[in-house]
Amino acid sequence: DIQMTQSPSTLSASVGDRVTITCRASQSISSRLAWYQQKPGKAPNLLIYKASSLESGVPSRFSGSGSGTEFTLTISSLQPDDFATYYCQQYNTYPMYTFGQGTKLEIK
Amino acid sequence: QLQLQESGPGLVKPSETLSLTCTVSGGSISITNYYWGWIRQPPGKGLKWIGSIYYSGDTYYNPSIKSRVTISVDTSKNQFSLKLSSVTAADTAVYYCARHIGLNIVVLPAALGWFDPWGQGTLVTVSS
Repeated sequence: DIQMTQSPSTLSASVGDRVTITCRASQSISSRLAWYQQKPGKAPNLLIYKASSLESGVPSRFSGSGSGTEFTLTISSLQPDDFATYYCQQYNTYPMYTFGQGTKLEIK
Repeated sequence: QLQLQESGPGLVKPSETLSLTCTVSGGSISITNYYWGWIRQPPGKGLKWIGSIYYSGDTYYNPSIKSRVTISVDTSKNQFSLKLSSVTAADTAVYYCARHIGLNIVVLPAALGWFDPWGQGTLVTVSS
């Protein structure tokens, strides 16, 4: 099975900061990666698919990059609404779809 | 706008069967190139894919849980359902249903992608 490892597990940052979250796959997954944002008590919300394609309606301060085994989610200028937990998900191996363990973005 | 809503008992006894239904509104479940999936999240933990189904009944399950899971679809009601047998406390989780994007469904196994949108989730507690 492909393992997805996110780092860091927790990230403290301030409004206006540029932040980057990393997701590493245990083997190459090409660009078959999605990113989600989850707020407490809510369902995950799709941000990015195909590693770098921004879902419709998602603010442009969110961006994704990477291919192969290393991927990043970048928020260019943190807004108060962005403090949440972020998950990556690979969809390269069919039929097995796995998520990273999550990165909690906290207010510094 | 497509919406999904989970429903079912919030409390299940150990060794019994957990049963949940997801009702799809704002669109047809019988649309090509989309599967319909279940994902769960134990309290304070991460996300785990359980399985996905096509409107035709084609299903895929997570191998780690496959022996206890059955996912079915009722196109007349625009619903799909999850049954998880022989539950234990480890099955306590928020259960989400979601649309699972089909990337290439003519191959076997079908190539599926990301999940969007999701239902709001329902907490199922396994306890006597």
